[in-house]
Amino acid sequence: DSGVTQTPKHLITATGQRVTLRCSPRSGDLSVYWYQQSLDQGLQFLIQYYNGEERAKGNILERFSAQQFPDLHSELNLSSLELGDSALYFCASSVNGASYEQYFGPGTRLTVT
Amino acid sequence: GESVGLHLPTLSVQEGDNSIINCAYSNSASDYFIWYKQESGKGPQFIIDIRSNMDKRQGQRVTVLLNKTVKHLSLQIAATQPGDSAVYFCAELYNNNDMRFGAGTRLTVKP
Repeated sequence: DSGVTQTPKHLITATGQRVTLRCSPRSGDLSVYWYQQSLDQGLQFLIQYYNGEERAKGNILERFSAQQFPDLHSELNLSSLELGDSALYFCASSVNGASYEQYFGPGTRLTVT
Repeated sequence: GESVGLHLPTLSVQEGDNSIINCAYSNSASDYFIWYKQESGKGPQFIIDIRSNMDKRQGQRVTVLLNKTVKHLSLQIAATQPGDSAVYFCAELYNNNDMRFGAGTRLTVKP
């Protein structure tokens, strides 16, 4: 158990809908990262927050957004969902803004039908 | 574009043997290289990392080798055990925040 929690574990929704994925980092970790893992794209970095502020952006679509709250939990919002958004979404945390030692949560499996 | 990739998508070894998982990278400006292990149904788990100014780093039963001349990274697992069966990802990190993952190698340990 990495100490990072994600909810929900599974999510099934229809195209065009909007969902919110939630992540709680390990106790004491200030930085949160979001990743998408799909069969054809592998593990792709989406976005990083550090202590409430956006720190880095990866391959995140404009339909996706995220935020980190004062209690350091983070939410990833996915809107206008398409079939291709079906994937595992992982959250990871690290103690500071340095990205090399990240602890991953168990992931949220999103299925868009 | 520059990318991180893996030579082999699958690797099968006998229990007790040593395993070597390889990774090629193309960005010479990367600061860190990291190996992750992902078991079925779980998130990636940090194994070991290496700075770009090093060529070898050892952990518990694992060794990472970095050859900057040929832009090659490898993970060696000594005395491979059934619990080592998983997908292994290499990742490169540059500008401290931009992490790129390879496609992954599935390691299967035969009893």
